[in-house]
Amino acid sequence: NAGVTQTPKFQVLKTGQSMTLQCAQDMNHNSMYWYRQDPGMGLRLIYYSASEGTTDKGEVPNGYNVSRLNKREFSLRLESAAPSQTSVYFCASSGGLAGSSGIQYFGAGTRLSVL
Amino acid sequence: AQSVTQLDSQVPVFEEAPVELRCNYSSSVSVYLFWYVQYPNQGLQLLLKYLSGSTLVKGINGFEAEFNKSQTSFHLRKPSVHISDTAEYFCAVSVGTASKLTFGTGTRLQVTL
Repeated sequence: NAGVTQTPKFQVLKTGQSMTLQCAQDMNHNSMYWYRQDPGMGLRLIYYSASEGTTDKGEVPNGYNVSRLNKREFSLRLESAAPSQTSVYFCASSGGLAGSSGIQYFGAGTRLSVL
Repeated sequence: AQSVTQLDSQVPVFEEAPVELRCNYSSSVSVYLFWYVQYPNQGLQLLLKYLSGSTLVKGINGFEAEFNKSQTSFHLRKPSVHISDTAEYFCAVSVGTASKLTFGTGTRLQVTL
């Protein structure tokens, strides 16, 4: 099993450009998450999807949009990239059901630079 | 809302020495606790978790952690570290197994000869 797959692995954008980060999981998980990781700040939740058809804002949603395309896929879109969005982005998934283990499984990350 | 504090941003240690990485949390309700490890240029992987039961939990690679409710702590320990343990370690908390995780800011463990 591939687990959680993120594409692309690296991306360089100019300020104002748009892009979509893709994430897919093959574990039949209900919940999916997008985080950003910045030095000294740990992981901060951008958006999450508790189940197919639902999305909710996390701690730092400004400047981002998400789409839960189906149970497998959860994309993150930057409509107009800004240098402050330079970061490493991680997608994660979990069973999401009460009583499940609560473990989140992470992709390898996307390193994004906005110039 | 819950929060997690990892006071040590970096912990240098010699190979074969013991190590403790500290994690404290705050929450008004019962929590579930996790330690994740991130090796250079990789995603996070689960090291161990506390959901219920015994307060001493064992994880992969010889790590263990103890849940202390009175001190609201979940410190990670290993009796003898290896060079390969060099990584960043994140403590995380949720208020339910179906809930979001809140992460600490991470502790970088640097193991040297």
